[in-house]
Amino acid sequence: DQQVKQNSPSLSVQEGRISILNCDYTNSMFDYFLWYKKYPAEGPTFLISISSIKDKNEDGRFTVFLNKSAKHLSLHIVPSQPGDSAVYFCAARTGNQFYFGTGTSLTVIP
Amino acid sequence: NAGVMQNPRHLVRRRGQEARLRCSPMKGHSHVYWYRQLPEEGLKFMVYLQKENIIDESGMPKERFSAEFPKEGPSILRIQQVVRGDSAAYFCASSPSYGSTDTQYFGPGTRLTVL
Repeated sequence: DQQVKQNSPSLSVQEGRISILNCDYTNSMFDYFLWYKKYPAEGPTFLISISSIKDKNEDGRFTVFLNKSAKHLSLHIVPSQPGDSAVYFCAARTGNQFYFGTGTSLTVIP
Repeated sequence: NAGVMQNPRHLVRRRGQEARLRCSPMKGHSHVYWYRQLPEEGLKFMVYLQKENIIDESGMPKERFSAEFPKEGPSILRIQQVVRGDSAAYFCASSPSYGSTDTQYFGPGTRLTVL
């Protein structure tokens, strides 16, 4: 039962352009959403989060948008840089549990 | 301030052996989570512990798996009588407390291979 879904396993973007990573969820009880970045052979690193009471949170080049009615979350990276190439996981929390998507592998082409 | 530490980074076991995975949370963090990542899948929640307490183990398989977080020392995830299907990356994460804005900080993971 995959409650958090990332339907695009991979994404390629030209350096300097915008990267948009998408995430859909099914559980309306989720109250907190996060994005993590993961390099090979390392653990996920926290990137940005958003509470369910907000619809946008921005931190430098990273912005997360939350559309609760559509149960959709997106991460915008602009401008994209080669160092952003990694696997991005979205996660959602309800109670004690965090549910993770399967990840989207982003490649930023120089 | 050292990050979350996990050891070993790689662990090879034969079927039927026991695997012990250790996680030292960040200094000052009293909450530990364990996750499992199977190939081509996302991280799956297994268990959430505070010092000396298991808070939520609803993601743990009912048999062969156990976890603890003693008052002193690291958190331990123990898998008895391992099978090939246990081969995965096991990540632990820690947070200072539970709250609406608390984030989890992940360790580098332990890659378990069952031969």
